[in-house]
This record gives sequence, structure tokens and C-alpha cells, in this order.
Amino acid sequence: SQQGEEDPQALSIQEGENATMNCSYKTSINNLQWYRQNSGRGLVHLILIRSNEREKHSGRLRVTLDTSKKSSSLLITASRAADTASYFCATARFGNEKLTFGTGTRLTIIP
Amino acid sequence: DTGVSQNPRHKITKRGQNVTFRCDPISEHNRLYWYRQTLGQGPEFLTYFQNEAQLEKSRLLSDRFSAERPKGSFSTLEIQRTEQGDSAMYLCASSLAARGTAEQYFGPGTRLTVT
Repeated sequence: SQQGEEDPQALSIQEGENATMNCSYKTSINNLQWYRQNSGRGLVHLILIRSNEREKHSGRLRVTLDTSKKSSSLLITASRAADTASYFCATARFGNEKLTFGTGTRLTIIP
Repeated sequence: DTGVSQNPRHKITKRGQNVTFRCDPISEHNRLYWYRQTLGQGPEFLTYFQNEAQLEKSRLLSDRFSAERPKGSFSTLEIQRTEQGDSAMYLCASSLAARGTAEQYFGPGTRLTVT
């Protein structure tokens, strides 16, 4: 079953704008990961944030984690057409290696 | 190419037939995972291996599904007596977990269509 839910389900923005996606989950976690999936293709790992971290950056990506609210956000700055994809958050629990994915946010960047 | 590879990329089969998919992980990775993804949903965990040992199986993995990882290298996922509800993308991932949980690297997937 899906543990997480992404919000919004779909997002369309102009190229150059920032995109923010949110993820909520239900149980305590060891870490939370964000993945990108282009249409009909495999998932690409973007960033991993551990439960004792609050913020992490990677290039144009910024991820925050609030374990008290069981939520995370992914910010993509200065969006590009190539960022058009579905974005999923996935959680891993302590002592359990499987990932539990959310339902995804479909991001469209309008050139 | 040193990424995760999956074969075939597409499979169309008739209901009741058996199908087998193969996954070749990144060579030094000791963990291998199978997920299933249906249209508009996130991937759902099916099973995972550490080396050749199958350590966890989801309740989604009915008796018609079996996975193996002989010698701790490539893995196969077999579905017997396929049903239309088995139509999905089957994703394989691998990771190197020395300490703690590591990021998983996904293959391109095998899209199964059961007619």
C-alpha cells in the first residue's frame, strides 16, 4: 500500500519559476528519498534525507523534512523544460530496506 | 553501461501464460528489489534479496509469483498463469548497503500487458 501522498497531484508552471511539491507519510521513518520518473521510464534517485536531518541541498534541489509533522517538501528552483516528469517521495523505515512510495506529483514545465 | 538492466522491456502475453523477467543489478550491489507500478500510481514493493537470500516478500506477491537470485547476481521474476490484473510495469532496483539504508538505483522496467 502507498504510505505517502504527494501534494499537489499535478503542477504546471512556467519555465524559470520554482516548483514546490509536498509529501506526507504515516509512520516513523529512517530516511525519505525523492525520485523522478520520466514518462514510461525507470526512476532516477534525486536526493536522500535522513530522519535526523532537517534540510538538504543538491544543485537546484532543496529538500526539507519535518518528522513531527511527518512531511517533506521538494523545491526545484529555476525550473527547466527537462524537469517535466513525475516526482515521487519514498520512505524507508528503521530495520526495513523496502521503499514505500507516495502517489506522485506530475510536474509540467511550460517553455 | 553500468546501470541496472532489465529484459525484456516489453512483454505481451495471453491470460494464463507464464512469463519470466530478468534483472541485472549494478555489479557490486548486494541488494536487489522488485517493485510493481500501475498507471498513475507509485511503485509498490514486491520482494527483496540480500545476496542470494530472499529476505522479505509483500502480500502482493501471490503464490503465482516467484523470484530468485541464484549466486547473488542477476534475478528473475516469474509469474505463472497470468491474469489481466498482472498488467503493470515491473521495476527492479539495486543498492549497496554497507551500513544503514542506501539509495536504490532503478532499471528501466519491464512493461507487461496481459490480454
